[in-house]
Parts: sequence; C-alpha cells; structure tokens
Amino acid sequence: DTEVTQTPKHLVMGMTNKKSLKCEQHMGHRAMYWYKQKAKKPPELMFVYSYEKLSINESVPSRFSPECPNSSLLNLHLHALQPEDSALYLCASSQVGPLLISGNTIYFGEGSWLTVV
Amino acid sequence: AQSVAQPEDQVNVAEGNPLTVKCTYSVSGNPYLFWYVQYPNRGLQFLLKYITGDNLVKGSYGFEAEFNKSQTSFHLKKPSALVSDSALYFCAVMNYGGSQGNLIFGKGTKLSVKP
Repeated sequence: DTEVTQTPKHLVMGMTNKKSLKCEQHMGHRAMYWYKQKAKKPPELMFVYSYEKLSINESVPSRFSPECPNSSLLNLHLHALQPEDSALYLCASSQVGPLLISGNTIYFGEGSWLTVV
Repeated sequence: AQSVAQPEDQVNVAEGNPLTVKCTYSVSGNPYLFWYVQYPNRGLQFLLKYITGDNLVKGSYGFEAEFNKSQTSFHLKKPSALVSDSALYFCAVMNYGGSQGNLIFGKGTKLSVKP
C-alpha cells in the first residue's frame, strides 16, 4: 500500500474556479513531485521540490501553482484551468541524496482525477 | 538525453505461462532503471529497480527483470502469469541531476492475462 496520500480522489471544477490538490507523505522523504497523466499515456513530470524548495519546473503554465508548506505536504493550486487540463495528477516522494546510497525509489500516490468543465 | 522504449503496446499471455514485457534504454552514464505497474484507475506501484550489482533483479509479486548492458535492455519477466497481473506496465529511467532525480517513462505496455 502506498504511503503517499492524495486528496481529493476526484475533482470536477469549472474553468473559473480555484481549487487545490493535496498530497501528504510520512516516509521522511525530502523530495516531492507532481506528475500529470493523460489516459493511457505515461506520466509527465510537472514539478520537483527538494528540501521544500522548487528545484524543477517543467515549463508548466502558471495556472498550476505548486506549494510545499513543509517536508510532509505538497499542494497544487489550480486556477483558470482549461478542459485539456483534465487528467490524473500524481504526487510522489523520494529520499534525497546520492543515488547509490539512498536508492532514490520514487513512490507514488493513488492520484487525483481532475475534470475541468 | 535519457530515454526508454517499450516496443509493444500490448502483450497477451495465457494464465500459467511465462510473461515478458520488453524495455530498452538509451542513457548517458550509468543506467538507473525501474519498473512500475498501474492497475485500472489507480496510481503507480513500484515493482523493482536496477541501480548496480546483480543483473537479475527480483521484485514484488514474483516479478523479476534482467539487466543486459550489451543489448541495453531491461525486460520484465514472471515465470507464471496470473489473471490479476493484467495491468499497464511502465519502464522508466532515472534522470539524475543534483541531489535527486526524476523518472522518464516509456509509453507503457498493457499486459492482458487470459484464464
């Protein structure tokens, strides 16, 4: 069972709404990730946080705004989304450190299904 | 640039038969390779990884994978397939920079195990 918890599991929002996706992990990991996955496609990286600081932004539109309030929590704030943003949003976490020591396995949550209408 | 390729969109296997899901990689430097499984309407579950050491890696649910450097492959295998193994399987390579990496996934292979 995954130890990365995402809420809500399903979210339907209008194009003018503001909503947030939340993610929590208690594995002591200091790297956290947001991935976006369209149906029957591989996940695509959006953001990476390392020690609560944004380290990677894969040129994601500003209508997606990540936030890492502490080492256990990761949020994705959503505003003025488009219907094409409808997808499964996956949160993940991993240890930070030299790969051969930490292993750096990335563990995923169950995802939040987002529908923009 | 790091990349992985999964040449098969779908693999069909009869229950009890061995299964193989193929993955080839292209990396600069040492390859750090992973397999994940995704059941319908679920997140990704980690199966196994190759970082270094023994070329045969054993993972969850009876799966194993063989790292072959000369063929740049990391095929996923299981000696006896179960209907419950039916799912979408992703091979991934770690894109490693700085103190942590992120995953680059193949397109995925749908495994269908029939009774």
